[in-house]
Amino acid sequence: SQQGEEDPQALSIQEGENATMNCSYKTSINNLQWYRQNSGRGLVHLILIRSNEREKHSGRLRVTLDTSKKSSSLLITASRAADTASYFCAPTKAAGNKLTFGGGTRVLVKP
Amino acid sequence: NAGVTQTPKFQVLKTGQSMTLQCAQDMNHEYMSWYRQDPGMGLRLIHYSVGAGITDQGEVPNGYNVSRSTTEDFPLRLLSAAPSQTSVYFCASSSAGAGGNTEAFFGQGTRLTVV
Repeated sequence: SQQGEEDPQALSIQEGENATMNCSYKTSINNLQWYRQNSGRGLVHLILIRSNEREKHSGRLRVTLDTSKKSSSLLITASRAADTASYFCAPTKAAGNKLTFGGGTRVLVKP
Repeated sequence: NAGVTQTPKFQVLKTGQSMTLQCAQDMNHEYMSWYRQDPGMGLRLIHYSVGAGITDQGEVPNGYNVSRSTTEDFPLRLLSAAPSQTSVYFCASSSAGAGGNTEAFFGQGTRLTVV
């Protein structure tokens, strides 16, 4: 299965702190994507990292990918209350761009 | 652009009723998918399509039917609703460009309750 598994399941931090969550997967991939979901709404794409990339940045987000360990991490720096959400990873093969998701990491940022 | 539009937003069905959840996208995306999300869980793939006339099953296809007669629309049909199908349903679309390295766009969901 391409499904990623996020860890930890839940994370509670103070505003201004960094939040780190991890994703592990089992098969070879073409890319890995991270998504955010606010309170039951649709998922929003955050960042895509290709299998030949090791690190990628987007604003306060930093994603790493280690294909030898089949793992990825998402770091949110200087967190804000608005970052409170669930975060999902989606390891993906190219054909059909079929995304499968794990249970996600629920992040609570306390003001 | 409207992006991915799902209708209805809320629906209550009686056990045994059938209905169709609508999904439309205006981005000319080749790929479209349906997911369900149960409370506190991740999304599970029901069916997906790589283009008009082509559909395939995902992880949890039983009790659902799909068709893709146009690029824009990808309706999901519940054949005979069961309480176990109470869930939030999400539709997503993405482009086949860039060798499949593309982001998916999600609708806002349909919250379905089967009583």
